[in-house]
Amino acid sequence: AQSVTQLDSQVPVFEEAPVELRCNYSSSVSVYLFWYVQYPNQGLQLLLKYLSGSTLVESINGFEAEFNKSQTSFHLRKPSVHISDTAEYFCAVTWTTGFQKLVFGTGTRLLVSP
Amino acid sequence: DVKVTQSSRYLVKRTGEKVFLECVQDMDHENMFWYRQDPGLGLRLIYFSYDVKMKEKGDIPEGYSVSREKKERFSLILESASTNQTSMYLCATHRGSGANVLTFGAGSRLTVL
Repeated sequence: AQSVTQLDSQVPVFEEAPVELRCNYSSSVSVYLFWYVQYPNQGLQLLLKYLSGSTLVESINGFEAEFNKSQTSFHLRKPSVHISDTAEYFCAVTWTTGFQKLVFGTGTRLLVSP
Repeated sequence: DVKVTQSSRYLVKRTGEKVFLECVQDMDHENMFWYRQDPGLGLRLIYFSYDVKMKEKGDIPEGYSVSREKKERFSLILESASTNQTSMYLCATHRGSGANVLTFGAGSRLTVL
């Protein structure tokens, strides 16, 4: 079985500061990894994903995440956050074969203040 | 883009009532899912369906049932609502092959009094 751990339930940060949201997973088989974002009063939407190839993946709004197999991590980073990045961020994992059922972490609320 | 529509954004029901949450997708996706979202617990899978009339239990199916009579519609049913089912319910779909990205609806916030 897979599991995902997001240790930080809330991360407060000032605008234009860098941020890292941590995600660790456990799985006995190879996995796909995802970050989803949920803005207030909305459903979740995909931010970025790791399927294969380059271990560093980027989103269109400046976030990046690096797949580290030895540390079983997929941390999300942004060098300079905006007020509009305030949202809840969910890390998720699914196995690469068979029926794909995402397992989500408990979420990290990013609070960006001026 | 795939659109996933959850017909009710906010519902208030009384304990013991039967509750239907509807989800409709406008693409030809095979797989549909119901999650509930609670603070500090993240998203937990209730049920999923990989084809019409096919359903599988997720991690927390107790107190829920589902119906999928048509490919585009997946309903979550609370036979007798209880206060511990007060939550945000999220429907999601994916295509069913390859490395799949879930597309979510906006959610249905259910309060059971």
